Amino acid sequence: QVQLVQSGAEVKKPGSSVKVSCKASGGTFSSYAISWVRQAPGQGLEWMGRIIPILGIANYAQKFQGRVTITADKSTSTAYMELSSLRSEDTAVYYCARSTYIDDSPAFDIWGQGTMVTVSS
Amino acid sequence: SYVLTQPPSVSVAPGKTARITCGGNNIGSKSVHWYQQKPGQAPVLVIYYDSDRPSGIPERFSGSNSGNTATLTISRVEAGDEADYYCQVWDSSSVFGTGTKVTVL
Repeated sequence: QVQLVQSGAEVKKPGSSVKVSCKASGGTFSSYAISWVRQAPGQGLEWMGRIIPILGIANYAQKFQGRVTITADKSTSTAYMELSSLRSEDTAVYYCARSTYIDDSPAFDIWGQGTMVTVSS
Repeated sequence: SYVLTQPPSVSVAPGKTARITCGGNNIGSKSVHWYQQKPGQAPVLVIYYDSDRPSGIPERFSGSNSGNTATLTISRVEAGDEADYYCQVWDSSSVFGTGTKVTVL
């Protein structure tokens, strides 16, 4: 069974960048899309964007355009999410989640364990 | 942008039925997915494509979608069902509902 294993917690200064990784183990990586979803403390889920590794195509939620970059390394079955110009409002748990990409309305069937990113001076 | 509205909270006695709504403009024309999230844990898919259940999800969980409202129904509620529940659709991007906290009395 595929598992998504994320990198550890980060503490960052305002204005800096953070890069979170998501490694797939136990199954095929390239046949799926990997999305990034964040959750601020006590708040709901917010989709940031996704990448289709086999195609190398990424698309982003309008809110994060220009500030987020999602990449993937097929050789290591790892996806990355880099968020720049961090501010306190970016403090959140960041999840990666798997979906199909053939369907135009896929569900997220497997999730990573989450990575806490704290932005504080 | 597309908005999905859920009630903030639903309370239900053990053994009874909980219904969680997800309102959106003509949501019946979209595929709706539902997630359960317990404190400190990642979300878990409980219903996909309106009414399908992933393997391992009890039959007590069911879904429907029509008009401007999708509904997640939990029958014979158990204490372990206490969690936050989110609906999700795709518009030009992925959209999550505002979330509903289910409390088992």
